[in-house]
Amino acid sequence: NAGVTQTPKFRILKIGQSMTLQCTQDMNHNYMYWYRQDPGMGLKLIYYSVGAGITDKGEVPNGYNVSRSTTEDFPLRLELAAPSQTSVYFCASSYSTLAGGPDTQYFGPGTRLTVL
Amino acid sequence: AQSVSQHNHHVILSEAASLELGCNYSYGGTVNLFWYVQYPGQHLQLLLKYFSGDPLVKGIKGFEAEFIKSKFSFNLRKPSVQWSDTAEYFCAVNAGRGSTLGRLYFGRGTQLTVWP
Repeated sequence: NAGVTQTPKFRILKIGQSMTLQCTQDMNHNYMYWYRQDPGMGLKLIYYSVGAGITDKGEVPNGYNVSRSTTEDFPLRLELAAPSQTSVYFCASSYSTLAGGPDTQYFGPGTRLTVL
Repeated sequence: AQSVSQHNHHVILSEAASLELGCNYSYGGTVNLFWYVQYPGQHLQLLLKYFSGDPLVKGIKGFEAEFIKSKFSFNLRKPSVQWSDTAEYFCAVNAGRGSTLGRLYFGRGTQLTVWP
């Protein structure tokens, strides 16, 4: 049971380039999330998904896109990288029922992205 | 939107000193509360959580937190810190079961440095 895995661990992009950050979980969690962490700012929610085929925007979605074609995978796409997207990106997942609501979120190891 | 305040940005202690990190949130309804820890170079790990019941919750590694509803607070405590507790600590709030779909709102984090 690997939990939440993310690739790559590090990446340097040039302004205007695009890339996809991969996230996979093997816990059969229905909810998945993408956060970015900037120094001294805590974590901000970019996008989240409550199940395959369903995604929604979080606090800071501009410049990003997501898809959720399977329960396990939740990739984050940057189309036109900008220096403001330099950050550490964390994927997380949790299990939720309609009755019980969402439970603890489990985080991946993060992707450190630099845009130059 | 909810907000989570962590008043101490950087705390420096000697080993065996007692620790209390403050966390206040702004949501007035039912909340789920979490403390996460991020050790240097690692991903976020759950320290403890409060969903309901006894407002004094115990977590891993000797940490505990007390939920005081009237003060909108969820302070983290440890009676005697160790050098290995050096890390960044994040308070997070999820407001209401199911209503916000598990979205966590994080505080800015408190960097704890423990000197041996």
